[in-house]
Amino acid sequence: AQSVTQPDIHITVSEGASLELRCNYSYGATPYLFWYVQSPGQGLQLLLKYFSGDTLVQGIKGFEAEFKRSQSSFNLRKPSVHWSDAAEYFCAVGEHAGNMLTFGGGTRLMVKP
Amino acid sequence: DADVTQTPRNRITKTGKRIMLECSQTKGHDRMYWYRQDPGLGLRLIYYSFDVKDINKGEISDGYSVSRQAQAKFSLSLESAIPNQTALYFCATSDLGWNTGELFFGEGSRLTVL
Repeated sequence: AQSVTQPDIHITVSEGASLELRCNYSYGATPYLFWYVQSPGQGLQLLLKYFSGDTLVQGIKGFEAEFKRSQSSFNLRKPSVHWSDAAEYFCAVGEHAGNMLTFGGGTRLMVKP
Repeated sequence: DADVTQTPRNRITKTGKRIMLECSQTKGHDRMYWYRQDPGLGLRLIYYSFDVKDINKGEISDGYSVSRQAQAKFSLSLESAIPNQTALYFCATSDLGWNTGELFFGEGSRLTVL
């Protein structure tokens, strides 16, 4: 069965600093990988997704993620964090044949002024 | 108006009561889902439906039931609520195409069972 681990429950960074959120997955075949963001009081919004091809994918709001098959990882990065990036971030892995997503436990990002 | 609307947004109830959470969507998607969010556990799938005649159990369906009344409406019921069903519940939709993978979420329904 597929699974997703986000090792960091909370992360605090200073505004303007770089950010990396970790995601490790377990899946037998080539995974479909996603990052979603949940702002306070809101539903989840898709940041980016990886299905195939270039292992570095660009998303909205200046985020990017890199798929590393050898490490079973799909880490999310941003060069310079803004205060509005404070939110909870979820990594997810999708089944090959459908839209069934398995989510990680989430990482809550706090941004210091 | 939101594309995926959940009602109620907040509900407090007592153990043993029947509760229904409703979801309606204007995106025209065939696929609809109910997820439950608990701190540290992420989102877990309760039920999903790929069309009006299709209902499938997800990872944690025990204690829940669903009804797909129309393409646009998907309701989640707790027949006899218990305290460990206190959680944030999300409805989501997706396009028929399997290779999009994007879920569109409602704003959530926070349920507290006393």
